[in-house]
Amino acid sequence: QKEVEQNSGPLSVPEGAIASLNCTYSDRVSQSFFWYRQYSGKSPELIMSIYSNGDKEDGRFTAQLNKASQYVSLLIRDSQPSDSATYLCAVNLGGGGNKLTFGTGTQLKVEL
Amino acid sequence: DVKVTQSSRYLVKRTGEKVFLECVQDMDHENMFWYRQDPGLGLRLIYFSYDVKMKEKGDIPEGYSVSREKKERFSLILESASTNQTSMYLCASISFTSNQPQHFGDGTRLSIL
Repeated sequence: QKEVEQNSGPLSVPEGAIASLNCTYSDRVSQSFFWYRQYSGKSPELIMSIYSNGDKEDGRFTAQLNKASQYVSLLIRDSQPSDSATYLCAVNLGGGGNKLTFGTGTQLKVEL
Repeated sequence: DVKVTQSSRYLVKRTGEKVFLECVQDMDHENMFWYRQDPGLGLRLIYFSYDVKMKEKGDIPEGYSVSREKKERFSLILESASTNQTSMYLCASISFTSNQPQHFGDGTRLSIL
């Protein structure tokens, strides 16, 4: 079983809709969780971090964390074509070195 | 803002060559990482370093080595390049402080012919 799992997609949503991206992880002691956005041919860029249970909002983005169920999600409100990208979930699973373990990413397509 | 700089955006080398990929960060981060990214396989950790002259193997170290002589610089070395090492290579750095995000360089797209 992979340590950080995401649905690879593609997830297609119409412009203006809410896009919901999900991620599950294997280690109950994980403390920090991140969402990165990656455009084709570019490097990942950090868009959200979350450390405690509940919701964290930043503009059109909301990260949700449920440690008991071991999942973290990202909601994108009012989706725009410029949101079309691959979204990577990253989790600090511990084990030293402050390493992050990445999911394989979910491709999001926002259609006009 | 954290700046992680990789020496080349695109690189073309020949089979059997020794290849050096350089990465420099300007935030005095202790930890640095090298990944490769291939379609459908996601980011795979090759090596990481948590201090000068220290290194740890990641998930796919075979065919690679690293060097960290100075805190700000982390080099990835392909001892004898092979075609299956054609990939996007990403360098990242992170503070030793817990719960910090990694910051990535722009990546190097390496082609081995």
